[in-house]
Amino acid sequence: GAVVSQHPSWVICKSGTSVKIECRSLDFQATTMFWYRQFPKQSLMLMATSNEGSKATYEQGVEKDKFLINHASLTLSTLTVTSAHPEDSSFYICSARTRDRPNTEAFFGQGTRLTVV
Amino acid sequence: EDKVVQSPLSLVVHEGDTVTLNCSYEVTNFRSLLWYKQEKKAPTFLFMLTSSGIEKKSGRLSSILDKKELFSILNITATQTGDSAVYLCAVFMKTSYDKVIFGPGTSLSVIP
Repeated sequence: GAVVSQHPSWVICKSGTSVKIECRSLDFQATTMFWYRQFPKQSLMLMATSNEGSKATYEQGVEKDKFLINHASLTLSTLTVTSAHPEDSSFYICSARTRDRPNTEAFFGQGTRLTVV
Repeated sequence: EDKVVQSPLSLVVHEGDTVTLNCSYEVTNFRSLLWYKQEKKAPTFLFMLTSSGIEKKSGRLSSILDKKELFSILNITATQTGDSAVYLCAVFMKTSYDKVIFGPGTSLSVIP
C-alpha cells in the first residue's frame, strides 16, 4: 500500500511555543490530507481537511488560528500548533488520499504524540 | 447531524470465538465505509466498502455493507490474542471537500 510518513513521532514542548508536524505522502500524490487528534481511549476526531493548493476546511470547534494547516504541495501537508498549552497534548494523526483514485482508502501516517509541559 | 455509531463499545472474548462488530451511520451523501484496526499507534486499513451485499474477506476477517439499512458488520472468526485492538469504522462522504467521520470504535480483547 501507499506510504504516508509523519514526523516527528513524538515531541515535548514548553507551554507557549509552537510545534510543527509534517505529513508526507512518499509514493503518491496526496490531493487531500486529513488531520485528526485522538485523546486516550477515544476515537479519531477529524480536525480539518486540506486540499492541495487551497485553504483547509476546519471542523466545527477547531480553532483555525491555533491549528495552522498548510498543504502547499501534493506530497506535503503541515500542522502547526501555535502557542501550545497543556490541553493541546494529544496524539495527532494525518491521513492522505488522492482524487485520482476515489475508491481508495486514506492512508495514515504513524502519528505524533505531543506533550506540552 | 452526520454520525457514525459502533457497537458494542467494548468486548471481551476467548480465543477461538467468533465476533461481530457493528457500525451504523447517518450521513448525507455517503461515498464509502472503511474499517480500520488500531493497536498502539496509527490505524491500519482493513476493508473499504462501497456497494451493498458484497462481502469482502481477508483471512479470518470479513465485512459487508447494507446501504439500505445504513450499517456494516465486521466479522472475525477463530479469534486470536493478536486480534485485540480497537476497530474503527469510518464513513467518507461526497462533499465539496473530502469529509470523513469516524465512529467511537469497538475495543476488542481476546483472552487465551
